[in-house]
Amino acid sequence: RKEVEQDPGPFNVPEGATVAFNCTYSNSASQSFFWYRQDCRKEPKLLMSVYSSGNEDGRFTAQLNRASQYISLLIRDSKLSDSATYLCVVNIGKWEYGNKLVFGAGTILRVKS
Amino acid sequence: DTGVSQDPRHKITKRGQNVTFRCDPISEHNRLYWYRQTLGQGPEFLTYFQNEAQLEKSRLLSDRFSAERPKGSFSTLEIQRTEQGDSAMYLCASSLTRASSYNEQFFGPGTRLTVL
Repeated sequence: RKEVEQDPGPFNVPEGATVAFNCTYSNSASQSFFWYRQDCRKEPKLLMSVYSSGNEDGRFTAQLNRASQYISLLIRDSKLSDSATYLCVVNIGKWEYGNKLVFGAGTILRVKS
Repeated sequence: DTGVSQDPRHKITKRGQNVTFRCDPISEHNRLYWYRQTLGQGPEFLTYFQNEAQLEKSRLLSDRFSAERPKGSFSTLEIQRTEQGDSAMYLCASSLTRASSYNEQFFGPGTRLTVL
């Protein structure tokens, strides 16, 4: 079983749609959680951190359920520019020893006009 | 540009040759990470430096791989006797050391290695 699992997609949605991605992780001692965005043939970039209380950044909302070891990302009012691969990322290290990130394989989103 | 830089951006080599990649982290970042990413997969952790000390190595890092960060600034990743299975994107990331598990890692553009 992979440490971080995501639905690979692709999710093909029209502009303006709401789309949700889910992710599960296996290490119950995981310290912190993130969503990264990766455009084609580019480096990953942090989209948002995911906190236990949930957090929102504009059109993006992230939720964490530690009991179920489940992370979600909701994108509202999708834009063409949201087309990318979304990577679910779990930190299994402690900050004193270096934060060790484990990435899911990514979910591909294609937003079409 | 004050982000993480990597050189070269692309490398094509023949099987059995040695290759070396360089990473220059963001200047005030004392933590540096190497990852490998293959097509359709997320990045996989290879190794990590705190200043010049290499503190962790993944079991993915066979004895053909070696990484250094001699002065705690730039880092090099060398692959000896390359194999076709080494073909991948090699990503470098850096971060500050702060008392938080939410320290952001900033990635460089990567070095794409193709082994023929």
